[in-house]
Amino acid sequence: AQTVTQSQPEMSVQEAETVTLSCTYDTSESNYYLFWYKQPPSRQMILVIRQEAYKQQNATENRFSVNFQKAAKSFSLKISDSQLGDTAMYFCAFMNPGNNDMRFGAGTRLTVKP
Amino acid sequence: DTAVSQTPKYLVTQMGNDKSIKCEQNLGHDTMYWYKQDSKKFLKIMFSYNNKELIINETVPNRFSPKSPDKAHLNLHINSLELGDSAVYFCASSQRGGGDTEAFFGQGTRLTVV
Repeated sequence: AQTVTQSQPEMSVQEAETVTLSCTYDTSESNYYLFWYKQPPSRQMILVIRQEAYKQQNATENRFSVNFQKAAKSFSLKISDSQLGDTAMYFCAFMNPGNNDMRFGAGTRLTVKP
Repeated sequence: DTAVSQTPKYLVTQMGNDKSIKCEQNLGHDTMYWYKQDSKKFLKIMFSYNNKELIINETVPNRFSPKSPDKAHLNLHINSLELGDSAVYFCASSQRGGGDTEAFFGQGTRLTVV
């Protein structure tokens, strides 16, 4: 099965600044999906952004963007203009579309400071 | 309308008891999952079903038995509960083959074994 690694257990950022969360993965598949999910204290899992491996263009969603490096198997999340509401656990995830097997990294706890 | 709903939201029970967690999705998805989130927030896949067929069965004790009566439901039954089973259990669903695929999560069931 594929593995997903998030090497930053905790990060903090000042409000309005930019922060980047790292994620690497290991797979032999050529087609797959990558995701970042946010889990606030309410524990609800919320999709932040999605990237399809065959698309070279990096996905963006408002203040959230990714840097997808397929050869390096890297998928980092950049949060611009950080807001207090961005404080949450962030999970990187990999999905194999053949069987929809979805695996998560260990998560990064992000704290946005006022 | 809740897309993926799990019941109950909280469950407190004694060691040795048998309990079930129910999950239903109204998204028409063909894949459903159970994940376990431990106290360190690590999300580990337990099972996934596609059209009622078991696809993924990770190294989960036999005391855990999933049941999918139809593709909209995936229940989790746990026999002889142990202290180490205390965790948050998430149900999720996704659709295979879709270009915009993502996993939708229920609100989680916090199981506490005393």
